[in-house]
Amino acid sequence: SQTIHQWPATLVQPVGSPLSLECTVEGTSNPNLYWYRQAAGRGLQLLFYSVGIGQISSEVPQNLSASRPQDRQFILSSKKLLLSDSSFYLCAWGVGGYGYTFGSGTRLTVV
Amino acid sequence: TQLLEQSPQFLSIQEGENLTVYCNSSSVFSSLQWYRQEPGEGPVLLVTVVTGGEVKKLKRLTFQFGDARKDSSLHITAAQPGDTGLYLCAGARNSGNTPLVFGKGTRLSVIA
Repeated sequence: SQTIHQWPATLVQPVGSPLSLECTVEGTSNPNLYWYRQAAGRGLQLLFYSVGIGQISSEVPQNLSASRPQDRQFILSSKKLLLSDSSFYLCAWGVGGYGYTFGSGTRLTVV
Repeated sequence: TQLLEQSPQFLSIQEGENLTVYCNSSSVFSSLQWYRQEPGEGPVLLVTVVTGGEVKKLKRLTFQFGDARKDSSLHITAAQPGDTGLYLCAGARNSGNTPLVFGKGTRLSVIA
């Protein structure tokens, strides 16, 4: 069966520090991968998606970047965090018409 | 412009009551999905509807896709405290790699 792992679950980082959130998928090959951000229990904002290794599409220009170094690995990064980057970050895999499977999320607090 | 509008945004009801939440759009979707999310966790897929007019039932939950494939509803019968959560609808604009469009969600609280 397919599983998705996302870590860490919680993270507190100072302003200006770098960020690296990792997401890996097991049990499937060449998955479509997504990074979302969610503010205060509301809707999901798509940040990046990838349909293959090295292929990254950015939906919202901001202080974040994404990379896909391996088929089932998706990384969300920042060189210098801002206070406004505090949020709940979710990784997902799937194909639109069939539904997404989400990771358990990372609660990021920038202080 | 929000492609998928969900209503109501918040709903608080007593255990045993029935409720309906809505997901509306001016756009046509090839399929539409409903997810439930609990605090601190990722959304979990409940159902996918594909055909206009389609009705699917999942225990006490009934999902309907509009005839024109522009809207959907979720009806819960005899709500229970375990139904509490954020309900998100999401639409697929085609069957390919285009990401899903998510609504902002309906936050449901069922009080015992």
